[in-house]
Amino acid sequence: GQNIDQPTEMTATEGAIVQINCTYQTSGFNGLFWYQQHAGEAPTFLSYNVLDGLEEKGRFSSFLSRSKGYSYLLLKELQMKDSASYLCAVRDSGGYQKVTFGTGTKLQVIP
Amino acid sequence: DTAVSQTPKYLVTQMGNDKSIKCEQNLGHDTMYWYKQDSKKFLKIMFSYNNKELIINETVPNRFSPKSPDKAHLNLHINSLELGDSAVYFCASSQRQPNEKLFFGSGTQLSVL
Repeated sequence: GQNIDQPTEMTATEGAIVQINCTYQTSGFNGLFWYQQHAGEAPTFLSYNVLDGLEEKGRFSSFLSRSKGYSYLLLKELQMKDSASYLCAVRDSGGYQKVTFGTGTKLQVIP
Repeated sequence: DTAVSQTPKYLVTQMGNDKSIKCEQNLGHDTMYWYKQDSKKFLKIMFSYNNKELIINETVPNRFSPKSPDKAHLNLHINSLELGDSAVYFCASSQRQPNEKLFFGSGTQLSVL
């Protein structure tokens, strides 16, 4: 099975940088996703990592260390619209490649 | 041109009733899912279908019965609704490749009174 942990809540200032961590313990691993979910809306895809290292996409970057079972999402130049929940999700390596979500981190960006 | 659409968006009903939620995707994806998001915002997989075949069933009570008439549709029927069924239900789809992301519908907020 999968066990995925994230901080419940974080607060950061507009214009700053914030790092949201995710640790996981899995019986098999075949990739890690980050999704963004604004209140009352559906989750939307942000990033995917399957190999160790940093993937950068504009203001957002995601890092993975498979040996440590650890990932982080880095948000730069925070904007008010970045206030949302950020969900870490792990795909397992079984035949059905199930995606399991963490509990999510609610980020509040303040002026 | 909505990618994954589910209806209804809101569903308010009494305990003991039976209700259905419909989902359709026009992305040509092979795989569709139902997820439940509870009041603590934890998103938990319930079912997954690949080309109309059930491939994931996560210890969901058998009051919940998914049905996939074709690979573009996955409906969820719930019998004898209970208070604990109140949640937001999300339909999603993806291609069945490791790096393929999930596309979610807008969710159905179910309230059981």
